[in-house]
Amino acid sequence: DGGITQSPKYLFRKEGQNVTLSCEQNLNHDAMYWYRQDPGQGLRLIYYSQIVNDFQKGDIAEGYSVSREKKESFPLTVTSAQKNPTAFYLCASSTGQRHEQYFGPGTRLTVT
Amino acid sequence: AQTVTQSQPEMSVQEAETVTLSCTYDTSESDYYLFWYKQPPSRQMILVIRQEAYKQQNATENRFSVNFQKAAKSFSLKISDSQLGDAAMYFCAYRTQFGTSGTYKYIFGTGTRLKVLA
Repeated sequence: DGGITQSPKYLFRKEGQNVTLSCEQNLNHDAMYWYRQDPGQGLRLIYYSQIVNDFQKGDIAEGYSVSREKKESFPLTVTSAQKNPTAFYLCASSTGQRHEQYFGPGTRLTVT
Repeated sequence: AQTVTQSQPEMSVQEAETVTLSCTYDTSESDYYLFWYKQPPSRQMILVIRQEAYKQQNATENRFSVNFQKAAKSFSLKISDSQLGDAAMYFCAYRTQFGTSGTYKYIFGTGTRLKVLA
């Protein structure tokens, strides 16, 4: 079945450590997105990529980095510069033909 | 800048009854797409319904329908014959062009938590 996978579902890190969240899709979608979800704030865009080897900052990119070396993969690194990294992170993809976004199951990151 | 507003943080509905969730948006674009997503306790985002702005006819998907008022910039979701499985967070979203041609950004409201009472 086609879809988006994110791993792991729960992730725990110590403050000061970088951590990378995985996102893989087999939908053959060109565009991929990373969102952060906090209570009462909906989804906020972190980074976006339309094609391989190209990506743009979203509304809250500070303290995050991404890469897009393959069409199927769009990993997100939460760096130690992110002041409040504990959140739920959602990866999504879209295709021009369908207009809507498809989402992965999300990763809950807790930094202590 | 485009914004999406969901003014109802929480709603309740009796099982088998009908409920309407509100969404308003602000834009200067004439052609765009609007969506309702459902996020159950599993936190998986699920597309409920989609509306193209150029279509006057309101979208429907089984028990889910929208009331799209383009001039008023309103996009409400009606859930008929509510079921216990409808309990979730519901997000309204707007798709806008972002940067270069052919790239899009999605703007989400803050969500409405729907409780279904047995």
